[in-house]
Amino acid sequence: QVHLVESGGGVVQPGRSLRLSCAASGFTFSHYAVHWVRQAPGRGLEWVAVISYDGSHKYYADSVKGRFTISRDNSKNTLDLQMNSLRAEDTAVYYCARDRIHHSGTYGWGLNWGQGTLVTVSS
Amino acid sequence: DIQMAQSPSSLSASARDRVTITCQASQDISDHLNWYQQKQGKAPKLLIYDASNLDTGVPSRFSGSGSGTDFTFTITSLQPEDIATYYCQQFDDLPLTFGGGTKVEIK
Repeated sequence: QVHLVESGGGVVQPGRSLRLSCAASGFTFSHYAVHWVRQAPGRGLEWVAVISYDGSHKYYADSVKGRFTISRDNSKNTLDLQMNSLRAEDTAVYYCARDRIHHSGTYGWGLNWGQGTLVTVSS
Repeated sequence: DIQMAQSPSSLSASARDRVTITCQASQDISDHLNWYQQKQGKAPKLLIYDASNLDTGVPSRFSGSGSGTDFTFTITSLQPEDIATYYCQQFDDLPLTFGGGTKVEIK
């Protein structure tokens, strides 16, 4: 069973940094691309970033490019999101999500999701 | 970026009614479309991938169709447990983009 558990959310002031983590279990983590997707309160879903199964490729939404960094540690089965220069509009529940198909060159071909962690950017 | 126009934004139907949601892509995405269900306070759940394929364990009352730019999601007989918001998502290109969601309620 795919199990993804996010952590690291909380309240942070604008301009500050926060690091989110996602612990994976129940599958061979190193075989799958993984994403961060966020959802502002009462709003829809917004894709944030993806990292390939081996960490060699990373892609970001324009809204976070240059501020957020996605990384993974396949030896620890963890995914991270380093968020710098946070803004009020970054307030959201952040989900980590795994691609349905392993070793696929097609990102987002069906996503399996964690339960999310809430990030609130406020002074 | 590929824009996904989903409609309606909300609907109210009776139990056992047929419910249909549409999603239109701003360009041809072949069948590179997924549908998700999100219940209140929960994470989204994959229902359909490749526009028409049910994910494992998804009840057969859910279905999807379409290709190119126009897609349809159907619940053939609405059940009380289907109360949720439904989203389409394209994976033809990055950035992944989602429709705005359809909130389904029971009359």
